[in-house]
Amino acid sequence: EAQVTQNPRYLITVTGKKLTVTCSQNMNHEYMSWYRQDPGLGLRQIYYSMNVEVTDKGDVPEGYKVSRKEKRNFPLILESPSPNQTSLYFCASSPRLAGSTDTQYFGPGTRLTVL
Amino acid sequence: AQSVAQPEDQVNVAEGNPLTVKCTYSVSGNPYLFWYVQYPNRGLQFLLKYITGDNLVKGSYGFEAEFNKSQTSFHLKKPSALVSDSALYFCAVRPYRDDKIIFGKGTRLHILP
Repeated sequence: EAQVTQNPRYLITVTGKKLTVTCSQNMNHEYMSWYRQDPGLGLRQIYYSMNVEVTDKGDVPEGYKVSRKEKRNFPLILESPSPNQTSLYFCASSPRLAGSTDTQYFGPGTRLTVL
Repeated sequence: AQSVAQPEDQVNVAEGNPLTVKCTYSVSGNPYLFWYVQYPNRGLQFLLKYITGDNLVKGSYGFEAEFNKSQTSFHLKKPSALVSDSALYFCAVRPYRDDKIIFGKGTRLHILP
């Protein structure tokens, strides 16, 4: 089944404790992206990747890192989480991006709480 | 600055009535426009998109959207609402030749039985 998977689905952690949220897609998509969803703010793009080893900042990249060593995986890293990073996070992928019109496929979401 | 606006936080419609969820955008060039739906505890699902051509776009679950270039709008519509349409709806825009995607804040649609 074609899908985007994220792990963990729920995570409660404490300030400053490094964490990684994994994202994987099995559709051979080139483009992958991370979003955070907050009430009243909608979805905001954190980072995106056009292809392996190609990443770029979205609208709210501060406090996050990403890597794209393999086409299928796009982990989101919080080196030193803070309470303002408490949010619902979504990973998404699409076949290609530059100038294309492809729609995105979203993962189920990761609800992160930073105490 | 490029942006997408969904002016209504919530829309209430009686079952069987037509529904409209509004979206306006401000981007340079010709945009690509999308609607996504989010059901409780789920990720976003694609509904429809406008790229070029006919201003009326038909999508999943009986939804359609009308692109209006002069009003820079892309309103989502359905002729007859179902209770199962109750969800959170997001409008999104990809500016032409831009890698980023901009989402609106979302509109919660309540269909009343």
